[in-house]
Amino acid sequence: QSALTQPASVSGSPGQSITISCTGTSSDVGSYNLVSWYQQHPGKAPKLMIYEGSKRPSGVSNRFSGSKSGNTASLTISGLQAEDEADYYCCSYAGSSSVVFGGGTKLTVL
Amino acid sequence: EVQLVESGGGLVKPGGSLRLSCAASGFTFSSYSMNWVRQAPGKGLEWVSSISSSSSYIYYADSVKGRFTISRDNAKNSLYLQMNSLRAEDTAVYYCARDPDHDWAFDIWGQGTMVTVSS
Repeated sequence: QSALTQPASVSGSPGQSITISCTGTSSDVGSYNLVSWYQQHPGKAPKLMIYEGSKRPSGVSNRFSGSKSGNTASLTISGLQAEDEADYYCCSYAGSSSVVFGGGTKLTVL
Repeated sequence: EVQLVESGGGLVKPGGSLRLSCAASGFTFSSYSMNWVRQAPGKGLEWVSSISSSSSYIYYADSVKGRFTISRDNAKNSLYLQMNSLRAEDTAVYYCARDPDHDWAFDIWGQGTMVTVSS
């Protein structure tokens, strides 16, 4: 399985909205509504932010939202805050009981 | 508090073996599928292996199939990863992670344990 494609970096100013894309194929993102997104601060474990494409776990801010169109999933963060600065990873079920992650996107809050 | 704590990492020579453990607390461990996910230094996340709640279903990434073995002991609330024939490319932080809904989303992660394969 090839890794999902994410932009290496995105940036935005406090209060703005940003979107991180995650492009897969018809064998993973395009075939299943099982995309999840993770936030990872330096030296820390990943944190689940979105699951099943657009659902937020309890405790995750509603500033985080997920969507999908075709083979591309997206994570949108609205009202950007300094603490949102982190690495973000998408993940998709890829069939045959396996999952594939994206390469990660570094979010910089200017 | 719901918690996962990994242990067992360290420095091992190429071709060597290592056994990782993950101790669970604060939830009914026997009800959840569990996974191992790794992250090479400065790199992204890579799923390694999954095991169902009763150990009936076990899956591996192609990169570790035939070399790694996942197992669990529900009586001890513990998850394991036996790693054999280790290679330099297995060098990574290894995380255990819980999958609460069998939807391949991981809601609880441990702090990770570092495995370094080097001569």
